[in-house]
Amino acid sequence: DTEVTQTPKHLVMGMTNKKSLKCEQHMGHRAMYWYKQKAKKPPELMFVYSYEKLSINESVPSRFSPECPNSSLLNLHLHALQPEDSALYLCASSQDFQREFFGPGTRLTVL
Amino acid sequence: GQQVMQIPQYQHVQEGEDFTTYCNSSTTLSNIQWYKQRPGGHPVFLIQLVKSGEVKKQKRLTFQFGEAKKNSSLHITATQTTDVGTYFCAGLRSNDYKLSFGAGTTVTVRA
Repeated sequence: DTEVTQTPKHLVMGMTNKKSLKCEQHMGHRAMYWYKQKAKKPPELMFVYSYEKLSINESVPSRFSPECPNSSLLNLHLHALQPEDSALYLCASSQDFQREFFGPGTRLTVL
Repeated sequence: GQQVMQIPQYQHVQEGEDFTTYCNSSTTLSNIQWYKQRPGGHPVFLIQLVKSGEVKKQKRLTFQFGEAKKNSSLHITATQTTDVGTYFCAGLRSNDYKLSFGAGTTVTVRA
């Protein structure tokens, strides 16, 4: 299985809502990532987990809260988001920081 | 901030013609990776270059890594409509293992 899955595919939420994005991989990869991608821009790194521990936080606002329950799962908890947070949220995984396998993404709209 | 520069931002190509996209880093890279993102899709890994001066080919695509491991190029010959998409280079920084994406080259093809 060389696939990274993400749910949901689309999400619309209000600024007062709490929601979570989910990501799963069964490739045994020990590094997992959250990226944010705005239209016509490259992916922008948010968080990196290595061996289930948060190793990089790119100064992301606290309204985004990552969680790695186990080596196959990665969540991104969302609370009190702003309209400018609307974007494609991509999860990725890699083995030893080599090539990254991206999931299909969650397209988030904040109203 | 972004440390990998990529040009051109847009490339409009006549079907059958060749084109090249270039990446340049301000710092020496551990490796450079290339990804392709189709419209509405997610980044898909194409190749990774690790060695100084390395050249790799995939059918009509030729990838190069500079001698100083600071620049790279992707050359596509005989462009086809299936080449449409955005091509990102991404440099892996050796000090923190973060993947730094270039801005991307968005390719459109005239039949």
